[in-house]
Formats: sequence, C-alpha cells, structure tokens
Amino acid sequence: SQQGEEDPQALSIQEGENATMNCSYKTSINNLQWYRQNSGRGLVHLILIRSNEREKHSGRLRVTLDTSKKSSSLLITASRAADTASYFCATDHSGAYSGAGSYQLTFGKGTKLSVIP
Amino acid sequence: ETGVTQSPTHLIKTRGQQVTLRCSSQSGHNTVSWYQQALGQGPQFIFQYYREEENGRGNFPPRFSGLQFPNYSSELNVNALELDDSALYLCASNPGGVTDTQYFGPGTRLTVL
Repeated sequence: SQQGEEDPQALSIQEGENATMNCSYKTSINNLQWYRQNSGRGLVHLILIRSNEREKHSGRLRVTLDTSKKSSSLLITASRAADTASYFCATDHSGAYSGAGSYQLTFGKGTKLSVIP
Repeated sequence: ETGVTQSPTHLIKTRGQQVTLRCSSQSGHNTVSWYQQALGQGPQFIFQYYREEENGRGNFPPRFSGLQFPNYSSELNVNALELDDSALYLCASNPGGVTDTQYFGPGTRLTVL
C-alpha cells in the first residue's frame, strides 16, 4: 500500500509562476524525499529532508516538513517548461527490517505538473 | 545520470511466462532495491538486497525473486506472469549503511499480454 498522498493530482501553471505540491503520510518517518519523473522513466532525486528539519532549500526548490501534521510541501519557484514532470514524495522507514543498509521508500501517487510556455 | 543502468528497456511477454530483468549499479553500491510502478501510480517496493542477500520484502508474492551479484549487478525474476504484472520496473542502488539517497535506473517497461 502507498502511504504518501500528494495533492493536487495534477497542476497546470504558466512559465514563471510558482508551483506548490503537498504530501501527507500516515506513520512516523526518518526522512522524506522528493523525486521527479519524466515521461514514465527513471526517478531523479531532488531533495531530502530529515525528520528533525523543518525547511530545506536547493536552488529553486524549497521543501517544508511538519511532522506534527505528517505533511510536507514542495515549492518550485519561477517554473520553467523543463519542470514539466511528475513529482513524488517518498517516506523512509529505516529499520523496518533487520540488516545493515536496510530500508525501503514508500511513495505516493504523485503530482503531475505541466508548465505552459 | 545516476550511473544505474537497466536492461532491457522494453519487454513483451504473455501470461504464464517467466521474465528476468537486469540492473547494473554503481561501483561500491552494496544495496539494490527493486520497485514496481503501475501506470498512473507511484513506485511500490518489491524487495531489497544487501551484499547478495535479501534484506527486506514488500507485499509481493514469492513468484517475484531476485539475485544480487558481487559485480554490483542484480536481477529481478518473475514467474507465472499475470496481466497485472504489466508495469515499469525500477531498480535503485545506494552505498548501503546510513546513506539515504537512492539512485534509480531508467526502468524496464514490461507488458504482459
């Protein structure tokens, strides 16, 4: 089952506008990660925020995490046509299984972002 | 570029057949995970291998199995294919230990007819 839920499912904006996507999850996490996927191909890691962090920046990306509400948001500022893709949040449940390096990511269904030139 | 490659890119099989998908991780990445992504859905964790041993499994039946080799390559095998197995299969690697980021390959698109 998928724990994370992104909102909205689809988002269409004009180039230059900001895009905000939200993610909610159900159980406690070690960290939350955002990935981008172009046209059903491989996932590209964008940013990771740990459970003890509240905000993180990377270039035009800003991620917030509210562990009390079990939610996160991804803000893309000054969007470009090249940002058109699906965006997924993924939660890390390290320690769910025994063994070193053992963890899995639980993904939401994603937000499909379209940036219109 | 993540340095993770997968083959083949696309594959068509019929129901009941068996399939093997391959992944080549970055050198030094001791952990490899496999995910299944159905159309319009997020990836779902199948299982993880660490130093050639299965190290965790998601909610997938035993007909999904894997192997990891010392040369940082791995395989996902699926027996008795079902129509619902049609999906994009992604492998992801990382150096293991406490490193959090996973590096995904481009995926193999499997179609079961």
